[in-house]
Amino acid sequence: AQTVTQSQPEMSVQEAETVTLSCTYDTSENNYYLFWYKQPPSRQMILVIRQEAYKQQNATENRFSVNFQKAAKSFSLKISDSQLGDTAMYFCAFMGAGSYQLTFGKGTKLSVIP
Amino acid sequence: NAGVTQTPKFRILKIGQSMTLQCTQDMNHNYMYWYRQDPGMGLKLIYYSVGAGITDKGEVPNGYNVSRSTTEDFPLRLELAAPSQTSVYFCASSRLGTGGVETQYFGPGTRLLVL
Repeated sequence: AQTVTQSQPEMSVQEAETVTLSCTYDTSENNYYLFWYKQPPSRQMILVIRQEAYKQQNATENRFSVNFQKAAKSFSLKISDSQLGDTAMYFCAFMGAGSYQLTFGKGTKLSVIP
Repeated sequence: NAGVTQTPKFRILKIGQSMTLQCTQDMNHNYMYWYRQDPGMGLKLIYYSVGAGITDKGEVPNGYNVSRSTTEDFPLRLELAAPSQTSVYFCASSRLGTGGVETQYFGPGTRLLVL
């Protein structure tokens, strides 16, 4: 079974600064997908970014980028120019290529300080 | 598109009562899912469906039932509510693309309190 570990329960960052959230996972599969979801106080789960394991290039979406290290089974999220609206829980998630199930980490609570 | 919608937003149940959580998607997605999120935890899969008439158990199915009579709807049924079912429930959907099952999109959640 796959496991996803987020080792930082809480983090804070000053507005306009950069922050990196960590995620490691354990799997025996070679093909899979990794995701970062954002959950603001409204509780809506919002997709931030997605990475296919077969792609060596790290995914980017505007201010959000990932550092995907397949051999190390690491998938960190970097948020640049942090904004107050980035305050939320962030969940890392794994899905095998032939699977339908997302496996989530326990989340990191990010607070952006004005 | 409304995306994935869920009703109700919040409900209080007494122990032993039954209820159905509704989920509808208008994106013509093949796959639909039900997750629960307990305090301080990530989401855990309860049931999923790969198409109308086909459902299967996820990680935590006990105490729940589902049906999928149409592509759009995927209701979750609690038959005998227990305090352990106090949680936030999320419905999600995704489509089968050329590269496999694609990103899951989530509804706004239903908060359930069993007393």
